[in-house]
Amino acid sequence: DSGVTQTPKHLITATGQRVTLRCSPRSGDLSVYWYQQSLDQGLQFLIQYYNGEERAKGNILERFSAQQFPDLHSELNLSSLELGDSALYFCASSPGLAGDAGANVLTFGAGSRLTVL
Amino acid sequence: KNQVEQSPQSLIILEGKNCTLQCNYTVSPFSNLRWYKQDTGRGPVSLTIMTFSENTKSNGRYTATLDADTKQSSLHITASQLSDSASYICVVNLSGGYNKLIFGAGTRLAVHP
Repeated sequence: DSGVTQTPKHLITATGQRVTLRCSPRSGDLSVYWYQQSLDQGLQFLIQYYNGEERAKGNILERFSAQQFPDLHSELNLSSLELGDSALYFCASSPGLAGDAGANVLTFGAGSRLTVL
Repeated sequence: KNQVEQSPQSLIILEGKNCTLQCNYTVSPFSNLRWYKQDTGRGPVSLTIMTFSENTKSNGRYTATLDADTKQSSLHITASQLSDSASYICVVNLSGGYNKLIFGAGTRLAVHP
């Protein structure tokens, strides 16, 4: 158990639907990151929050949105789902901003597997 | 363009053998380089993290090297075990006061008995 909790573990839904993925970061971590990993692909950075504020944005579609709440848990909302959105969605957390400090190692959750039919 | 390329794409070795995975990057400005191990269907787990001033770092049977001049890193696995079967991901962190991690596509390692 990495300390980062993601729910649900698996989710099957239909095209056009909307889903919410939830992440609880490791205790004490202020930063939360969301990544998408399609089949046999590398991780693609979606978005990062630090202490409730959006800090960095990657290749996140307009149909996707996220937020980090005061208790530091985060939710990733995926709407108007398409077949191509089927992927593993990972949440990661770190104590601070994983930048020049160097010691800020990301701890990943087990992922949420989304299947869009 | 900031890129991280890993080779080989996949590798099969016999249990007990050593292997070396490669990572070349064109990321600039560079802050640090990380190696992660990802078991199938699970989240990546950190193995090592090196800043530009570090040449080598070990974690048990895993040893990472970094040549910041040639922008190359390697991950050497000694005396491989069946549990080493996984994808190994090289991640380069941009510097400059903001966070951005560039992920390689990974090397898929299979250790056979």
